[in-house]
Amino acid sequence: GQQLNQSPQSMFIQEGEDVSMNCTSSSIFNTWLWYKQDPGEGPVLLIALYKAGELTSNGRLTAQFGITRKDSFLNISASIPSDVGIYFCAGSNTGNQFYFGTGTSLTVIP
Amino acid sequence: GAVVSQHPSRVICKSGTSVKIECRSLDFQATTMFWYRQFPKQSLMLMATSNEGSKATYEQGVEKDKFLINHASLTLSTLTVTSAHPEDSSFYICSARDMTGPRETQYFGPGTRLLVL
Repeated sequence: GQQLNQSPQSMFIQEGEDVSMNCTSSSIFNTWLWYKQDPGEGPVLLIALYKAGELTSNGRLTAQFGITRKDSFLNISASIPSDVGIYFCAGSNTGNQFYFGTGTSLTVIP
Repeated sequence: GAVVSQHPSRVICKSGTSVKIECRSLDFQATTMFWYRQFPKQSLMLMATSNEGSKATYEQGVEKDKFLINHASLTLSTLTVTSAHPEDSSFYICSARDMTGPRETQYFGPGTRLLVL
């Protein structure tokens, strides 16, 4: 099945720094979701986006639905050690399956 | 947020035995659930789409007789790994599609770690 391109693949940052990651698709989606997965756990939904250009925040996390509907971005401000994990994007059109990104592994150095 | 449970969280079995994994949506009805397999440090690989009251749709390369899926109610889907072998050892995760509100989303279970000896 289709897999979305997510970048960067991994990040090593200092605590307190901001983080940016993005996800691109060859197809247009009407829904973008961002998840965080801790080791040995299932992905947890962070932010859901439903409209092109939409900018949504959840605490220190902000995600945007790209205007072309083929991409989405996730930013984390003032990173802390518990932000460590793998972040996945997912895109879908209503009623169809979600396609997932390849994941961004985030390491925060205290 | 919505909660999806998965049971068991981990299982160790002997080669040749069958293992059943349950996925439940706890506070919403899910006509569609998904089953994924995840290898270490890799993304989620969709195995099949489980539809309530009908046959599951399997992704290419996934043996339907090997991975039996039953979605008997709006809150429960089961995945049975039949005649498990060591190469079936993996992390299996289910998700449930929530379409109860005006907007669709998908929630994941906590995953099941399967080890086949």
